Order: sequence, then C-alpha cells, then structure tokens
Amino acid sequence: DSGVTQTPKHLITATGQRVTLRCSPRSGDLSVYWYQQSLDQGLQFLIQYYNGEERAKGNILERFSAQQFPDLHSELNLSSLELGDSALYFCASSVEGGLAGQETQYFGPGTRLLVL
Amino acid sequence: TQLLEQSPQFLSIQEGENLTVYCNSSSVFSSLQWYRQEPGEGPVLLVTVVTGGEVKKLKRLTFQFGDARKDSSLHITAAQPGDTGLYLCAGADASGTYKYIFGTGTRLKVLA
Repeated sequence: DSGVTQTPKHLITATGQRVTLRCSPRSGDLSVYWYQQSLDQGLQFLIQYYNGEERAKGNILERFSAQQFPDLHSELNLSSLELGDSALYFCASSVEGGLAGQETQYFGPGTRLLVL
Repeated sequence: TQLLEQSPQFLSIQEGENLTVYCNSSSVFSSLQWYRQEPGEGPVLLVTVVTGGEVKKLKRLTFQFGDARKDSSLHITAAQPGDTGLYLCAGADASGTYKYIFGTGTRLKVLA
C-alpha cells in the first residue's frame, strides 16, 4: 500500500461523456502527478501539481483538465470522451515535487476507464 | 521528442534462469529509475541511478547506468516467480525539468 488512494477503481462510460477521477496523496506529500497508461502508448505523463499550483505539463489533451485543492487532493476531469481514452489512469505523489529524479514518486492503484 | 525503448518487450523464462532487460535512448538523462508494476497496482520504484557507469544491487537485481547516461540495464540472477511483473525504466530530463519519460516496458513471466 503506497498510501496514495484513487477513486473510483473502475469506470465505464460512453463516448461524449465527462468523468472525474479523484486522487488523495500520501499524508505530507505536496505534489501530485497524473499519468495515463495504455497498451500501445505505455505510461504517459499528463500533468503535475505542487501545493495547488500547476508545475509541469506533459501530453495532456485539451479535453482533459486537472486541479489540486487546498486539502491537496486532486481531480482529473476527462470530457468529450473518445474510445481511445480507455486506459489506466494513475496518480502519484511526492513530498516536494522537485526536479525529476530527485524524489521518489508513490503511485496509487489506478482507475481503469473504459469508454464504450 | 525523448523516447526510451525497452527490450525485450516480453520475456518468459524458467525459475532459476538469468535475464537482462535493456533501456535505451538517444537522449541524455540526469538520472534513471526502474519500477516494477504488478497487475492491478501502480508502479513501485526499485532504484534510482544517477552517475554514468553507476552500478546498484538490490538482492538478485543489478542495475547499471550507461557511461553516457543514455541507457541502462537490469539484470536478474536466478529469477523467481515473484519477479513476475512489468518492468519500467523512467528517465529524468537532463535539461532539468519536472518530467519523467517512461520506457515502453518489459513484461516478465517467471515459470515455476
């Protein structure tokens, strides 16, 4: 158990819909990262937040957005869903969210999204 | 675009055999991490290598960072069924960003 929690564990929805994925970081961690893992693309970095502010952006589509709240939990919003958005979405957290390689990221168990 | 290619993609071996997984790129990384991911779970960090040529050992696992910091290898000695999983390498951009570039992954199955 990494201490990072993600809800829901599974999500099935239809194309065109909007969903929200939730992540609670480990106690004391200020930084949250979102990743998408699909069979053909591997693990792709989407976005990072540190203490409520966006810190780094990766391959995140315009249809996707995220935020980190004052209590440090984070939400990833996926809208106008397409079949290709079906994937595992992971949240990770770290203490300070420093430069890549300087800290350990702890990953949650993921949310499996299926778009039909 | 930075890419990390892992080979092999899939590996199925018998318990007790040795194996090596490779992680290659044309880009330089300031550090490189190896993760193992089991079904239904997120990746778990195994090791971080920082210096070119660095070798780190974790029980039966030996990790090496290439001299030029563009590649890395993971060697497992006397593999056990508990080693089964998806192995991922992840590079930290040498230009100093907050982003990790993850490799394509190696799916290992160790048969008893």
